[in-house]
Amino acid sequence: DVKVTQSSRYLVKRTGEKVFLECVQDMDHENMFWYRQDPGLGLRLIYFSYDVKMKEKGDIPEGYSVSREKKERFSLILESASTNQTSMYLCASQRNTGELFFGEGSRLTVL
Amino acid sequence: GESVGLHLPTLSVQEGDNSIINCAYSNSASDYFIWYKQESGKGPQFIIDIRSNMDKRQGQRVTVLLNKTVKHLSLQIAATQPGDSAVYFCAERRAQKLVFGQGTRLTINP
Repeated sequence: DVKVTQSSRYLVKRTGEKVFLECVQDMDHENMFWYRQDPGLGLRLIYFSYDVKMKEKGDIPEGYSVSREKKERFSLILESASTNQTSMYLCASQRNTGELFFGEGSRLTVL
Repeated sequence: GESVGLHLPTLSVQEGDNSIINCAYSNSASDYFIWYKQESGKGPQFIIDIRSNMDKRQGQRVTVLLNKTVKHLSLQIAATQPGDSAVYFCAERRAQKLVFGQGTRLTINP
C-alpha cells in the first residue's frame, strides 16, 4: 500500500523559531511536493523536487526552504517562523502517471 | 490569470441522491485531470482521473466527465452516502505540477 508519512500532525511554535517538517514516502517516487492549505485559498505549491538534491520553487516559496538528501525524504524548513505561516502543510509524492499521493498533513500554529 | 475553479463552494444533497460537482479550467494545454476527496483532518485522497483524450471515465459509484470544448470537468457520485461528506478538489496537470481548484464542500442530508 502506498504511504506518505509526515512526522508531526500538530505543532505549536513561537515566532522566530526554526521549524522542520519531515516527509517520507515508500514508493520510490522521484517527484515530491510541499503544499500549504488555507481556508478559501485551496492548496498552494511551496516547493517541489524532481530528484535527490534538486529543488524547484513553487508558487509561494518565500519564507521556506527544502532539503532532499535522500530519495524517500523531503523536508520543509521554516528558517524563522512567522504568524502568517500558521497553516496546514501537506506533503505529496508523485507517480509517473501524474497522480499525487498525500500525507495526512501537519497543522502548524505559530504564536 | 489561469486558474482551476469551481462553480460552487458548497453543495448539499439528500442521502441516496446523485451528486454533481463541477470544475472549470482555463489551460487548454492541460492533458490530465484528477479529482481528490479530503475528509476532515486528513490529506486529500485520489478518487478518479481522466486524460484529455477521453471524455468520460467511470469508477465505483463515481464518473468523471471532461468537456474540452468549454474546458469543464465534473464529478458525479451515484447514490450519495454519509461517508461521501468531504471537500472535493479538481486538479489539472501543467508540466509536472498539479494545480488545484478551491474545493467544493459536499454535505449529505439524511
